[in-house]
Amino acid sequence: KAGVTQTPRYLIKTRGQQVTLSCSPISGHRSVSWYQQTPGQGLQFLFEYFSETQRNKGNFPGRFSGRQFSNSRSEMNVSTLELGDSALYLCASSSEVRGQTYEQYFGPGTRLTVT
Amino acid sequence: QKEVEQNSGPLSVPEGAIASLNCTYSDRVSQSFFWYRQYSGKSPELIMSIYSNGDKEDGRFTAQLNKASQYVSLLIRDSQPSDSATYLCAVIPMDTGRRALTFGSGTRLQVQP
Repeated sequence: KAGVTQTPRYLIKTRGQQVTLSCSPISGHRSVSWYQQTPGQGLQFLFEYFSETQRNKGNFPGRFSGRQFSNSRSEMNVSTLELGDSALYLCASSSEVRGQTYEQYFGPGTRLTVT
Repeated sequence: QKEVEQNSGPLSVPEGAIASLNCTYSDRVSQSFFWYRQYSGKSPELIMSIYSNGDKEDGRFTAQLNKASQYVSLLIRDSQPSDSATYLCAVIPMDTGRRALTFGSGTRLQVQP
């Protein structure tokens, strides 16, 4: 099976701009989660989507948003970029075998640099 | 107090030795525990998951869980230089139905040839 894919892999934006990142989960996986990784804060949960609905949300400002499509692909959007948004953005997918499987598999990430 | 705590290391072990990585968590209702390996510049890779008290073995890796002590560990037998990486402990609380992984800050492991 192909793994989780993310596009683009690298991105450079300027403050105030917005950005959209894309994630395709492992085939058959319906849950997609997004995480932000920075040297100072480590890995932090952004949000999780399941069947096109946001099921969980982390403690990030409203500038961070996401959505999921009927084919389980997901996008996240960051508006009005700030320097502190520079990070590795990771997407993870998991299956929902009888609602009991929580193992999450990460994609390669998108490295966002805000200047 | 952080929700998931790990010693940042580096933990240095000679090739062929057993590496022992430890993690404590603060949320008593946590039920799902995971170990990820992350090489520099790469994304986390799932190594082990453990849901019940006791040991779980997979090849050279053994995860140990003690819910009473709120403690989870990862043992790597016959450590190889290729095992040199940051090991992340992650926890999901079961009660809320959330799927959000809460990560520790990671332990950097160095295996000396």
